[in-house]
Amino acid sequence: EPEVTQTPSHQVTQMGQEVILRCVPISNHLYFYWYRQILGQKVEFLVSFYNNEISEKSEIFDDQFSVERPDGSNFTLKIRSTKLEDSAMYFCASSDGNEQFFGPGTRLTVL
Amino acid sequence: GQNIDQPTEMTATEGAIVQINCTYQTSGFNGLFWYQQHAGEAPTFLSYNVLDGLEEKGRFSSFLSRSKGYSYLLLKELQMKDSASYLCAVNRDDKIIFGKGTRLHILP
Repeated sequence: EPEVTQTPSHQVTQMGQEVILRCVPISNHLYFYWYRQILGQKVEFLVSFYNNEISEKSEIFDDQFSVERPDGSNFTLKIRSTKLEDSAMYFCASSDGNEQFFGPGTRLTVL
Repeated sequence: GQNIDQPTEMTATEGAIVQINCTYQTSGFNGLFWYQQHAGEAPTFLSYNVLDGLEEKGRFSSFLSRSKGYSYLLLKELQMKDSASYLCAVNRDDKIIFGKGTRLHILP
């Protein structure tokens, strides 16, 4: 069964450093998403992406965040200058317009 | 604005039926998701309701009433592995807003 994959599974970084989180969505899906979940809290929407551009973004997704689909398979989330409060699980998801499947997540720890 | 409400916790017995309710207030409604999330894992897709009515998928069913801003997830023949959080999420113009989730405890 096709699945969304994410790398790395864990990322530890120093405050102020840049990180890139990678995702490979399900191959025939056209809608892509990034979410984050701080430990013990609810899932928070960051951004949705369709047709090679951002379709919606939340208040969390400020100028420090960017997304890219550099080739036909990868979908990346970049955080330019990480802050302590960026520590969370980051989930990528892809959708065919109805069902939306999550990847296993990347646990980001900012020290 | 948007507001999604679901009970924080529920308890049910193995083999029984449980209904988890979700109410929402939002503009630009496109559909409503239900997800299951076990501790430390990613959410798993259960259902996506766009139109009013009940959709059944095995032991799980999901209901939507758009006019009432109301949905429920019905779990039948509960198993111990159904112990998890159940997340209601509204699709608002491709912005997906999650509720805080309902933690379901299953007793033997």
